[in-house]
Amino acid sequence: QVQLVESGGGLVKPGGSLRLSCAASGFSFSDYYMSWIRQAPGKGLEWISYISSSGSITNYADSVRGRFTISRDNAKISVYLQMNSLRAEDTAMYYCARDEPIRGYSNALDYWGQGTLVTVSS
Amino acid sequence: DIQMTQSPSSLSASVGDRVTITCRASQDISNYLAWYQQKPGKVPKLLIYAASTLQSGVPSRFSGSGSGTDFTLTISSLQPEDVATYYCQNYNSAPRTFGQGTKVEIK
Repeated sequence: QVQLVESGGGLVKPGGSLRLSCAASGFSFSDYYMSWIRQAPGKGLEWISYISSSGSITNYADSVRGRFTISRDNAKISVYLQMNSLRAEDTAMYYCARDEPIRGYSNALDYWGQGTLVTVSS
Repeated sequence: DIQMTQSPSSLSASVGDRVTITCRASQDISNYLAWYQQKPGKVPKLLIYAASTLQSGVPSRFSGSGSGTDFTLTISSLQPEDVATYYCQNYNSAPRTFGQGTKVEIK
């Protein structure tokens, strides 16, 4: 079955960096876009980035553009989120999710990981 | 960027009631609209995609409708296990914005 497992979260000081990983299994990883979504404590969902199946296309929310970088390694069946210049407002649970396939219709974000918590505080 | 506006932000209804949540997109997104359910302390779960297609395993009391800019999620008979926050999402283009959420409680 489809599984997504995030890792790499933790406590970091403002201005610091963190790299999140999401390991996938149970589907043809290289056939799908992947997205990162976050949720600040007590707040709603915020989509922050996606990457195409090959990695050639990326897109970001304005709130993270220029600070965060999404990447993937299809050989390692993983997607990553490099987060730089972190701010207190980046404190959130970060989820990866399977996005649209390269063939056929998109089923939106049909599988989600359990999330990894990022806390930005001095 | 496309904005997604949900209403109401919260509601309280009795078991067995029909519940309706609306979502409005600031631009035409065709039928690229998804609904997610997030129970307290849990990971969001896809309920409906393509505005009206039920994800596998989702109870038939959930339904979705709409296209263009106006969409609706309906729970035909509210059950105690439906207590959750519900989010709509545009996936027509980036940014793939979510609505602000609708919290559903039992009266």
